[in-house]
Amino acid sequence: DTGVSQDPRHKITKRGQNVTFRCDPISEHNRLYWYRQTLGQGPEFLTYFQNEAQLEKSRLLSDRFSAERPKGSFSTLEIQRTEQGDSAMYLCASSFTDSPLHFGNGTRLTVT
Amino acid sequence: GQNIDQPTEMTATEGAIVQINCTYQTSGFNGLFWYQQHAGEAPTFLSYNVLDGLEEKGRFSSFLSRSKGYSYLLLKELQMKDSASYLCAVQTGGGNKLTFGTGTQLKVEL
Repeated sequence: DTGVSQDPRHKITKRGQNVTFRCDPISEHNRLYWYRQTLGQGPEFLTYFQNEAQLEKSRLLSDRFSAERPKGSFSTLEIQRTEQGDSAMYLCASSFTDSPLHFGNGTRLTVT
Repeated sequence: GQNIDQPTEMTATEGAIVQINCTYQTSGFNGLFWYQQHAGEAPTFLSYNVLDGLEEKGRFSSFLSRSKGYSYLLLKELQMKDSASYLCAVQTGGGNKLTFGTGTQLKVEL
């Protein structure tokens, strides 16, 4: 069990650019979640997958955000035309059905 | 809507006991979780309550009252390494989805 892995750890981008983050969950876990966290706040739910199916998306997830989990293993989160308000820590988590979420260390995005 | 309230900051002394409270009003309830998060690190799972009562795990205990929409996390024999943010989260709906409070930043002093 190597834990949930996220790449990159840090990303600095200019406003208007597209960015993509990757998450590798714990291998046996069938569920994968994306959360966003800003300083002094708790994580906010963005979306989750069961295997390769995206089962729920938050209203926070605008049309500029898209997530995929094509083979039911790793997942990517893409943000198009980034805005300064997108600056945050993007956390990925995975779990078995009905078990606690295990979080990765996150990708810190800074939009300048 | 979902509303989860916990104090923003708390300070306690090494070796002491501290109780971090959490109140919630959510549409749906499938369990309450506590996570610990050190600065710049991932949240790590501490405890889970779905039935009323106290769950004890070493120096950490968590209590739940579903009728009151209330939980607390009790930390005993505080150590400096316990300085962290403690996140209360409610599982609502399907899919293990968690709604988090803003977190309580605990500072342990000598």
